[in-house]
Amino acid sequence: ETGVTQSPTHLIKTRGQQVTLRCSSQSGHNTVSWYQQALGQGPQFIFQYYREEENGRGNFPPRFSGLQFPNYSSELNVNALELDDSALYLCASSLAGGSTGANTGELFFGEGSRLTVL
Amino acid sequence: LAKTTQPISMDSYEGQEVNITCSHNNIATNDYITWYQQFPSQGPRFIIQGYKTKVTNEVASLFIPADRKSSTLSLPRVSLSDTAVYYCLVATYSSASKIIFGSGTRLSIRP
Repeated sequence: ETGVTQSPTHLIKTRGQQVTLRCSSQSGHNTVSWYQQALGQGPQFIFQYYREEENGRGNFPPRFSGLQFPNYSSELNVNALELDDSALYLCASSLAGGSTGANTGELFFGEGSRLTVL
Repeated sequence: LAKTTQPISMDSYEGQEVNITCSHNNIATNDYITWYQQFPSQGPRFIIQGYKTKVTNEVASLFIPADRKSSTLSLPRVSLSDTAVYYCLVATYSSASKIIFGSGTRLSIRP
C-alpha cells in the first residue's frame, strides 16, 4: 500500500468525450505526476505538478491537462478522447523541496485508472 | 535525458540470484539511477536508487561502476512472487522532472 488512491478504477468512454481522473497523494507528499501506460509498454510521463503548478511535461498534446489542489490531490483531464487514449493512467506522488521542486525521484504510485475508449 | 537499455526478458529459478543490467551511456552528472518493479495491472513500486558505487536495502542491491554508464540490479534468492517487469530509470530530479521509463525487463521465475 502506497497511500496513493486513484478513481475511478475502470471506465469506458466513447471517442470525442471528455474524462476526468482523480488522485489523492500520500500524506505529506507535495508533488504529483501522471503517466499513461499502454498495454505491454512502459509508463509514459504526461506531466508533474508541484505547489499547484505544472513544472514538467512530456510529449502529450494540450488536450491533456491537469490540476493540483491545495491539499495536493490532483486531476487529469483529457478532452476529445481518441481510441489511442485507451490505457492505464497512473498517478504518482513524491516529496519535493525548495523553490524549484527538486525531489529524490522516489515515486509512490497508485493502482491506476483503466480507461477504454470505444 | 539519458536513454536506458535493458534486456527485454529474463528467466530464472526460485532461490537463484538474479542480476539485471541496464545501460545508460549518456548519463549526466546530476542523474540518479532508480529501479522500479511492476506487477500486471498495478502501479510501479520503488525498489532502489543510487548515484554511484553500491547501494543495498532489504530487497535488492544496486551496483554502479565508476563511469556510471551502466547499473546492475541484484535480487538475492528470488521467489515466484518476484515475477514482474523491472524498469531502470535515469533522471535528474530537478524542478522540471521528466521521468522516462523504458520498456523494462520482464523477469519470469520458475519453481
